[in-house]
Amino acid sequence: DAKTTQPPSMDCAEGRAANLPCNHSTISGNEYVYWYRQIHSQGPQYIIHGLKNNETNEMASLIITEDRKSSTLILPHATLRDTAVYYCIVPSGRSSGYALNFGKGTSLLVTP
Amino acid sequence: ETGVTQSPTHLIKTRGQQVTLRCSSQSGHNTVSWYQQALGQGPQFIFQYYREEENGRGNFPPRFSGLQFPNYSSELNVNALELDDSALYLCASSLGTGVNTGELFFGEGSRLTVL
Repeated sequence: DAKTTQPPSMDCAEGRAANLPCNHSTISGNEYVYWYRQIHSQGPQYIIHGLKNNETNEMASLIITEDRKSSTLILPHATLRDTAVYYCIVPSGRSSGYALNFGKGTSLLVTP
Repeated sequence: ETGVTQSPTHLIKTRGQQVTLRCSSQSGHNTVSWYQQALGQGPQFIFQYYREEENGRGNFPPRFSGLQFPNYSSELNVNALELDDSALYLCASSLGTGVNTGELFFGEGSRLTVL
């Protein structure tokens, strides 16, 4: 199963773009990259996922490098409500039901 | 809100007791996964049920067991509770299972304290 590496914490000023990096150098060809976030005391919330191409939705953009060994989640205009732990995940294989292995994530603090 | 509901929201048990946690999945979802989140840690996968069958299991002992019912709701049972079982237990539902299942919808969790 591919593992991911994220910085433990990051800061971002309100209104600026937050760029959260993730390394997944052992990812295989058909494995997707998922991003979730967890605001304190709530259940995790899905943000976005992708395979090869860059993806964008109403919450964020996902940039995946051409070799697929790393990706960046971009929150284009961070708000105080974006303060949360962000998890970059490559799901486990079929034998584990493609379970999500959350790791420790990146704690993002958005400041006024 | 995700439409995934869990009960109870909080409970306290003592060592050696048994506990049952319940989860109602989002309408139309046939897959339920359970996660354990200890304080300060990311959620850890316990197991997944797809169409009433266990479809994958994480590194948890057999005293962690589950069920999925025909309406796709689910239960997590933990026997012989230990102090380290104190955690937030999260349920997530999704449609199907596969390499590109997509979004998992999580409930708000059941917080278990074992004394």
